[in-house]
Amino acid sequence: AQRVTQPEKLLSVFKGAPVELKCNYSYSGSPELFWYVQYSRQRLQLLLRHISRESIKGFTADLNKGETSFHLKKPFAQEEDSAMYYCALPDDKIIFGKGTRLHILP
Amino acid sequence: EAQVTQNPRYLITVTGKKLTVTCSQNMNHEYMSWYRQDPGLGLRQIYYSMNVEVTDKGDVPEGYKVSRKEKRNFPLILESPSPNQTSLYFCASTPRGTPNQPQHFGDGTRLSIL
Repeated sequence: AQRVTQPEKLLSVFKGAPVELKCNYSYSGSPELFWYVQYSRQRLQLLLRHISRESIKGFTADLNKGETSFHLKKPFAQEEDSAMYYCALPDDKIIFGKGTRLHILP
Repeated sequence: EAQVTQNPRYLITVTGKKLTVTCSQNMNHEYMSWYRQDPGLGLRQIYYSMNVEVTDKGDVPEGYKVSRKEKRNFPLILESPSPNQTSLYFCASTPRGTPNQPQHFGDGTRLSIL
């Protein structure tokens, strides 16, 4: 069955430190994965998708089919990165992970 | 401006009183979807629609209805709301008839059912 797991509900990281938000998936086909971000009191917005292989706001994510993972990484955290982050796996339905709240400490 | 518009943004109502949350997009998108967002549970898909007159259940459809009579509109109907439907609801759309595209989200509707 299609499944997305974000194991951390909350991740606190000091400003300037590296960030890694974990996402593991279960899917029988070839997945297309997305990361969405929700800043405080704002709508969800796309952060990046694996197919584009680009870096947005310093974040990157690599699809690792062997480990069935799509972890989101940033080398140096900034205070404005504090937000909720969701990993998503679309099929006909869309499955979102439960989200990770990233808190950047000053 | 390309956008997904939900109304109302906030609603407090009572158990059993039918309500409708409207969703409209002006981007000619085919795929539309409703989610509810609850603390600790993330986003869960309620219903989705791949095109006009085509709707399907998501993961948590119980207690909800939808319709897709026109491409731009995808209302969410709660025929007999109950307190466990108190939540933050988001509508979203994607360009083609599959969700394998970046989704455009509305601003959300916060429903409180007393």
